Amino acid sequence: NAGVTQTPKFRILKIGQSMTLQCTQDMNHNYMYWYRQDPGMGLKLIYYSVGAGITDKGEVPNGYNVSRSTTEDFPLRLELAAPSQTSVYFCASNNGGISTDTQYFGPGTRLTVL
Amino acid sequence: RKEVEQDPGPFNVPEGATVAFNCTYSNSASQSFFWYRQDCRKEPKLLMSVYSSGNEDGRFTAQLNRASQYISLLIRDSKLSDSATYLCVVSANFGNEKLTFGTGTRLTIIP
Repeated sequence: NAGVTQTPKFRILKIGQSMTLQCTQDMNHNYMYWYRQDPGMGLKLIYYSVGAGITDKGEVPNGYNVSRSTTEDFPLRLELAAPSQTSVYFCASNNGGISTDTQYFGPGTRLTVL
Repeated sequence: RKEVEQDPGPFNVPEGATVAFNCTYSNSASQSFFWYRQDCRKEPKLLMSVYSSGNEDGRFTAQLNRASQYISLLIRDSKLSDSATYLCVVSANFGNEKLTFGTGTRLTIIP
């Protein structure tokens, strides 16, 4: 079990560029999440998904898009990168819903927008 | 008021000492509570869940006080490897799909 994997590990973008952060889990979890963590701050939920084909906004969704075409993958898209999106992005997954399973995190993607 | 509040520290504690952290939460309807550990430049990892009756895992003890809406973490006989940031995490429901994270308490164990 690889758990939750994320690519790339690091990326530098110029303002206005686009990119997709990849997230894959091999634990057959139904729920997946994207968070961002700014220095000295707690994790903030960007988007989450309760199953393939279903996504919903979290606390800070502006500037991001997601899709969930399979159980395993939950990519996060940045369309027009802005310096405010400089952050560390974590993907997570769990058996949400009626389970008390906590969330398991990937290693993160460090994104800098210049 | 923040949903989950923690003292950011840093706590600098000599090896072998006992250290305690507290965390308060604002949503009285919160259902699940956790302590996560986050090492520098790494992802958060679950340290332990927190139950109403309190629970212990080796040198770590977690307590929940619903009436006062706070959670505590006690680390006994601290080790150098305990140096990390400890995140207090609260869920509004049993499904744990909406976790709210505190900003973390930074702990450094000094030899």
